[in-house]
Amino acid sequence: GAVVSQHPSRVICKSGTSVKIECRSLDFQATTMFWYRQFPKKSLMLMATSNEGSKATYEQGVEKDKFLINHASLTLSTLTVTSAHPEDSSFYICSARIDSSSVEQYFGPGTRLTVT
Amino acid sequence: AQSVTQPDIHITVSEGASLELRCNYSYGATPYLFWYVQSPGQGLQLLLKYFSGDTLVQGIKGFEAEFKRSQSSFNLRKPSVHWSDAAEYFCAVGARYSGAGSYQLTFGKGTKLSVIP
Repeated sequence: GAVVSQHPSRVICKSGTSVKIECRSLDFQATTMFWYRQFPKKSLMLMATSNEGSKATYEQGVEKDKFLINHASLTLSTLTVTSAHPEDSSFYICSARIDSSSVEQYFGPGTRLTVT
Repeated sequence: AQSVTQPDIHITVSEGASLELRCNYSYGATPYLFWYVQSPGQGLQLLLKYFSGDTLVQGIKGFEAEFKRSQSSFNLRKPSVHWSDAAEYFCAVGARYSGAGSYQLTFGKGTKLSVIP
């Protein structure tokens, strides 16, 4: 149980275009989903927390207009990287939490974004 | 604010040897502690977690970890390493974001494990 999927697993896009990454909880409803970014040989950096039906909470230094997060249902959150630049190339990982009182998160397999 | 330190960036061990990966945390209250493993290009797999109770916790793949409050540590151990254990290992602490806010995870920088056949 508690499986989280991400789509696509890899994506290559041209500079200036937008790309959408989906995060789905497959066998549970997730009131909260998290988006992380992982730079090469680095740890996971929390970008934002999204709660179903409300606006995402972004961490300091993360551009909310560039990284659009939508959590329209209890099983789906999307991250859209707008006007992508090569420096946005990274590994993006989402996670989901079952309820607000829970500390445990279930992680997706990640999405490798390459901007050319 | 909470923090996690993994002092060893890269560790190399021979197959069959024992392993200990270090993790120290800083948090004002009782922490929720996790160890995750990440293979190249993959997401995170939970190895084990500590919430309360017995300070020695068993996880998957033969891993265990011991919570030592006095040392603010949660070191990961395995008695005999297999070549398939080569991966990146992350320690994380779960803590409330602020006051009565919801929980977030703070990760250490990771330890890369290489295994010599």
